Amino acid sequence: DTAVSQTPKYLVTQMGNDKSIKCEQNLGHDTMYWYKQDSKKFLKIMFSYNNKELIINETVPNRFSPKSPDKAHLNLHINSLELGDSAVYFCASSPSGAYNSPLHFGNGTRLTVT
Amino acid sequence: TQLLEQSPQFLSIQEGENLTVYCNSSSVFSSLQWYRQEPGEGPVLLVTVVTGGEVKKLKRLTFQFGDARKDSSLHITAAQPGDTGLYLCAGEPYGNTPLVFGKGTRLSVIA
Repeated sequence: DTAVSQTPKYLVTQMGNDKSIKCEQNLGHDTMYWYKQDSKKFLKIMFSYNNKELIINETVPNRFSPKSPDKAHLNLHINSLELGDSAVYFCASSPSGAYNSPLHFGNGTRLTVT
Repeated sequence: TQLLEQSPQFLSIQEGENLTVYCNSSSVFSSLQWYRQEPGEGPVLLVTVVTGGEVKKLKRLTFQFGDARKDSSLHITAAQPGDTGLYLCAGEPYGNTPLVFGKGTRLSVIA
């Protein structure tokens, strides 16, 4: 199946831990993104990569570090997790970096920090 | 910061009814996208509207982009339980900046 897939689906961890979320797309898209959806369902962009290069870094704490080993993968590493990091994190991809280019989302990773 | 306000926030209707949800802003957007998100899944693109005044139809769903490109509406005719979900609008600002998402309208269609 052609898709954006992210793992794990659920992640429960304690404050202060470090965790990673992985994302892969087999759609052949050039651009990948990480979005955060809070408890009120508000989707906010965190990062965008085009062909492995960072093109957007919104005001996200330094504890969040994206890594793109190739254009089909964009992983998210989070250091020193805080309670406020609890949210659903969505990976997405699009054919190009143009913003009217449609986004294809993964099914999300629900992160719970206790 | 450009904002998109969606209304209503929640909508619960009976199967077969018609409904309209709105996406409004004081800012102008070069295009606007509508997504539907079901529980436990990511948003799925329904349509992109690009031209002011544009109307697009997708089966029982009709999307309209306002003439001034500041607002959009989604009208569903004869709603079905399968239409249940969170409807998100996302605007593309001018100036090559990221999409701005609204907070969504949560629709529940009861059989």
